[in-house]
Amino acid sequence: EAGVAQSPRYKIIEKRQSVAFWCNPISGHATLYWYQQILGQGPKLLIQFQNNGVVDDSQLPKDRFSAERLKGVDSTLKIQPAKLEDSAVYLCASSTEGGNIQYFGAGTRLSVL
Amino acid sequence: LAKTTQPISMDSYEGQEVNITCSHNNIATNDYITWYQQFPSQGPRFIIQGYKTKVTNEVASLFIPADRKSSTLSLPRVSLSDTAVYYCLVGWGGSSASKIIFGSGTRLSIRP
Repeated sequence: EAGVAQSPRYKIIEKRQSVAFWCNPISGHATLYWYQQILGQGPKLLIQFQNNGVVDDSQLPKDRFSAERLKGVDSTLKIQPAKLEDSAVYLCASSTEGGNIQYFGAGTRLSVL
Repeated sequence: LAKTTQPISMDSYEGQEVNITCSHNNIATNDYITWYQQFPSQGPRFIIQGYKTKVTNEVASLFIPADRKSSTLSLPRVSLSDTAVYYCLVGWGGSSASKIIFGSGTRLSIRP
C-alpha cells in the first residue's frame, strides 16, 4: 500500500514570496490533515479535511495560509506571502473516515530567507 | 481541550525496558490515547493506541489506569534504533469537540 506522498521535499524562498505544497493521501482515506512542525516542537494542526469539507481550521493563519482539497483526494497548502517565522516542516497526514490513526508523509521542509 | 505533558528527554541503554509516561488530566470520554514515533527528517509513525487498561502489540505496550488521566508507553529491550522522539496524543479526530494536539514529545536516546 502506497503511503502519503508529499512534494516538494525541500523549498527555499525569500520572505514575501508565495509557496505551495502538495499532498496525495493514502487511497480511500477520507480525512486529511496539514501540520506545521517548527524545529524542536511537536506538530501543530493547521487544518483538517473530511472529504472536501473543512472540519477544523482554527489554527490556520487565514490571512496568509490557504488550503484546498478539491474532489476530496489531493490537497494543496499555500502560503502567500511567506514570513521568516513560516520556516518549518509541513506535514500531511491521512486517516480513514472515523478513524483516529494518522499516517504521515515525509513532509516538506520550508526555509524562508 | 485535551493537552498532554511528557518528560522532555530520557536516556537508556540497549536491552533495557523504557517507560515513558504521559499526563492528560482533561481527557474526554471519547478520546483515545495514541503514541507516535518520529525520526529526524521523517513524519511521525503510529506505534500504539488504547482507550483503557492495557494494550500490547509487537513493538510496545500501553498501560492506562482506570481514571485515564495518564498513560505509560513501555518499550521492551530497546535498541539503538529506538532513538527518536515519542509523542503522546489524545483526541478523537472525527469529532470537532476534541482537537488534535501534539505535545513537545519525549526525546529518547539509547546508548550502547
